[in-house]
Amino acid sequence: SQQGEEDPQALSIQEGENATMNCSYKTSINNLQWYRQNSGRGLVHLILIRSNEREKHSGRLRVTLDTSKKSSSLLITASRAADTASYFCATDGGNTGKLIFGQGTTLQVKP
Amino acid sequence: DAGVIQSPRHEVTEMGQEVTLRCKPISGHNSLFWYRQTMMRGLELLIYFNNNVPIDDSGMPEDRFSAKMPNASFSTLKIQPSEPRDSAVYFCASSPRTPRGGQPQHFGDGTRLSIL
Repeated sequence: SQQGEEDPQALSIQEGENATMNCSYKTSINNLQWYRQNSGRGLVHLILIRSNEREKHSGRLRVTLDTSKKSSSLLITASRAADTASYFCATDGGNTGKLIFGQGTTLQVKP
Repeated sequence: DAGVIQSPRHEVTEMGQEVTLRCKPISGHNSLFWYRQTMMRGLELLIYFNNNVPIDDSGMPEDRFSAKMPNASFSTLKIQPSEPRDSAVYFCASSPRTPRGGQPQHFGDGTRLSIL
């Protein structure tokens, strides 16, 4: 069963706007990761946030984690057409390295 | 650096045939994962290995599926006999394993499998 559930399922914005995607999960985690998938390609790791962290930045990406609400958000600022992709959150509940992926958010950035 | 390499990229075959998917993980990574992605079920973990040993195969759908990792640089996922419902994109991913856990996974570009 899926651990993470992403919201919204699909998002369409204009270039330059910010995009926010949310992820909720059910059980305790060690860390949460975000991945991007371009059409016809494999997933690419974007950012990892550990359970004792609340916020993390990487370039135009900002991730927050609220373990009390079991939720995370991914913010992409100043979006570009090249950001068009599906975005997945994945939770790591133990030290096995095993990840459970959500269903993903499909982002379309219109030029 | 070479990433995770999967072959073939596309496979079309008739039901009942044996299908073998191949994966070469990133050198030095000691964890390897096989996933299946479909529109209906999303991304599902089928099996994963640590140091060439299968750790969790609870995601393998049924006995028709088997996976092996004979050495640190090669893994196969086999379906025998194949059925139309096995049609999906199959991904292999690898990661370094550390005691702290929480390492990113590196994905190949997948094998798009169509069973007619």
